[in-house]
Amino acid sequence: TQLLEQSPQFLSIQEGENLTVYCNSSSVFSSLQWYRQEPGEGPVLLVTVVTGGEVKKLKRLTFQFGDARKDSSLHITAAQPGDTGLYLCAGAEGLGAGSYQLTFGKGTKLSVIP
Amino acid sequence: DAGITQSPRHKVTETGTPVTLRCHQTENHRYMYWYRQDPGHGLRLIHYSYGVKDTDKGEVSDGYSVSRSKTEDFLLTLESATSSQTSVYFCAIGRSSGNTIYFGEGSWLTVV
Repeated sequence: TQLLEQSPQFLSIQEGENLTVYCNSSSVFSSLQWYRQEPGEGPVLLVTVVTGGEVKKLKRLTFQFGDARKDSSLHITAAQPGDTGLYLCAGAEGLGAGSYQLTFGKGTKLSVIP
Repeated sequence: DAGITQSPRHKVTETGTPVTLRCHQTENHRYMYWYRQDPGHGLRLIHYSYGVKDTDKGEVSDGYSVSRSKTEDFLLTLESATSSQTSVYFCAIGRSSGNTIYFGEGSWLTVV
């Protein structure tokens, strides 16, 4: 099983600040997903990146997949209290015969203070 | 809303008793998964299914069994619950393997 390291584990910032969350592995993934989870709820998909070097934007959130498909970053511009939550990255690992398994990072817990 | 319903949402049970959690989907997705989420460990795969009656083990399958008799339902059974199985359990579905998966709202299980 491939390991995904997320950093930082915890992040507390003031409203309006920018931040970047990182997801790193020594192995190559076929695709990578970012999820956001609020307390008491299940993870909600934000984005899937597939191509090395790919950049996707979702309003104030910018996601980048590394050229070698081993790492990814999530950048939030002008953070708002509504961005508070646990951010999870997940990499797809091939198990053979066309089957894959998602490996999750342990998450980054973001708190945006008004 | 990904069309996934988990039941029960909350349960307290005693050590040694059997427990079954149900996941029901309305999306007709081929793949279904059971994960558990624990502090310090993140989300870990218990079992998954790639079709009716087709299941396989995940990273933390010991003490758990699953069944899928219909496309829409995936059951997770703890034959004899232990305190170490106190956790939040999430069902997830996916159209194709390794691609995007969508999570249910979770089932909180406490084993006392």
